[in-house]
Amino acid sequence: DTGVSQDPRHKITKRGQNVTFRCDPISEHNRLYWYRQTLGQGPEFLTYFQNEAQLEKSRLLSNRFSAERPKGSFSTLEIQRTEQGDSAMYLCASSKDRGGVSYNEQFFGPGTRLTVL
Amino acid sequence: AQSVTQLDSHVSVSEGTPVLLRCNYSSSYSPSLFWYVQHPNKGLQLLLKYTSAATLVKGINGFEAEFKKSETSFHLTKPSAHMSDAAEYFCVVNHQTGANNLFFGTGTRLTVIP
Repeated sequence: DTGVSQDPRHKITKRGQNVTFRCDPISEHNRLYWYRQTLGQGPEFLTYFQNEAQLEKSRLLSNRFSAERPKGSFSTLEIQRTEQGDSAMYLCASSKDRGGVSYNEQFFGPGTRLTVL
Repeated sequence: AQSVTQLDSHVSVSEGTPVLLRCNYSSSYSPSLFWYVQHPNKGLQLLLKYTSAATLVKGINGFEAEFKKSETSFHLTKPSAHMSDAAEYFCVVNHQTGANNLFFGTGTRLTVIP
């Protein structure tokens, strides 16, 4: 059983550069989530997909951030013109919508740690 | 609005002694509540969840939590700490009627002293 995977695990970039992260969810999971976790804080929700549709976006997701899930499988999160404040761990999670259940457990990947110099 | 407050940023216990990690929540609706654990360099793992069934919830690795509506609390306990329990623990709330994002607390780092 392969869990949620994320690539790369670490990324160091210079301010102003663009970066892209990839998340591969558990294969039968139709929901995919992105979170951001800064040092000493809990993860904060960024955005959520059901299949290929992006259904919810946090106000944390500035216009420099864009996420896609083109075929309803893997997802990418791109940050344009990175700033030092973007330095964080970016977490991906996936879940399976079982309809009528109040909560569908989210399974988390190991994260991509971004450092912006 | 929904939020959780983890009352201790760091808890230190001796191996074999009880663990208590405190969490208070606020929610405009009937919440679902969870505890997640994060070991270094590993993904977040669900320990246990409360979704309006039994108020005393049993999770993995001997952990339990009790939902107390009158106190708006969901404290995590374990009778006897193991060295492998050392990690960061997050209390999390989710809107009962199916909103899909989780609201995490700021975390409690548990240290277990041999």
